Amino acid sequence: GAGVSQSPSNKVTEKGKDVELRCDPISGHTALYWYRQRLGQGLEFLIYFQGNSAPDKSGLPSDRFSAERTGESVSTLTIQRTQQEDSAVYLCASSYPGYNEQFFGPGTRLTVL
Amino acid sequence: GDSVTQMEGPVTLSEEAFLTINCTYTATGYPSLFWYVQYPGEGLQLLLKATKADDKGSNKGFEATYRKETTSFHLEKGSVQVSDSAVYFCALSGTGRRALTFGSGTRLQVQP
Repeated sequence: GAGVSQSPSNKVTEKGKDVELRCDPISGHTALYWYRQRLGQGLEFLIYFQGNSAPDKSGLPSDRFSAERTGESVSTLTIQRTQQEDSAVYLCASSYPGYNEQFFGPGTRLTVL
Repeated sequence: GDSVTQMEGPVTLSEEAFLTINCTYTATGYPSLFWYVQYPGEGLQLLLKATKADDKGSNKGFEATYRKETTSFHLEKGSVQVSDSAVYFCALSGTGRRALTFGSGTRLQVQP
């Protein structure tokens, strides 16, 4: 596709349930990032992939959060036992190797009731 | 660690007014600096960037100059339009780090 795509665009879940968020980066972009944007706030970095490995996981807020990437393409962010404070827009971005310009997807709005 | 501080919003201006949105940063070494824009209902888009001291990034009439001596990257536009209404985020990419560190964003509202 032409840009970074994310699915679902909206997700409403009950506290305690697990959720999976998906990101399809731009073709050829080997770097992939996940960020979180809480209402009225800036973006918080969660995790960075280079290829299928994650050299920087420093932003994951707890062990309920995990992410994987396969085939140097699609990535999935999983949140286990969701809490209300997990409600946010989760953004994915990708970039070419060696470039620091990141291209963002439209985000997944997660609401935990 | 790295951090970015932006002026609080919202900033409300009349059309054709001059815009400045202040951004200062804390980082070691020589970070790259960015302004991203989020238009209503749309995703985050890169507006402009600068990768070394004294560089000026520019796009769509917006400009920002990388000032190492004042650790600043203020966004300016000489004459804003209603279509510039959006949330603007200042960000940096630290030396040796790929992740972006964002400011909290500044909402700009331009009135006709």
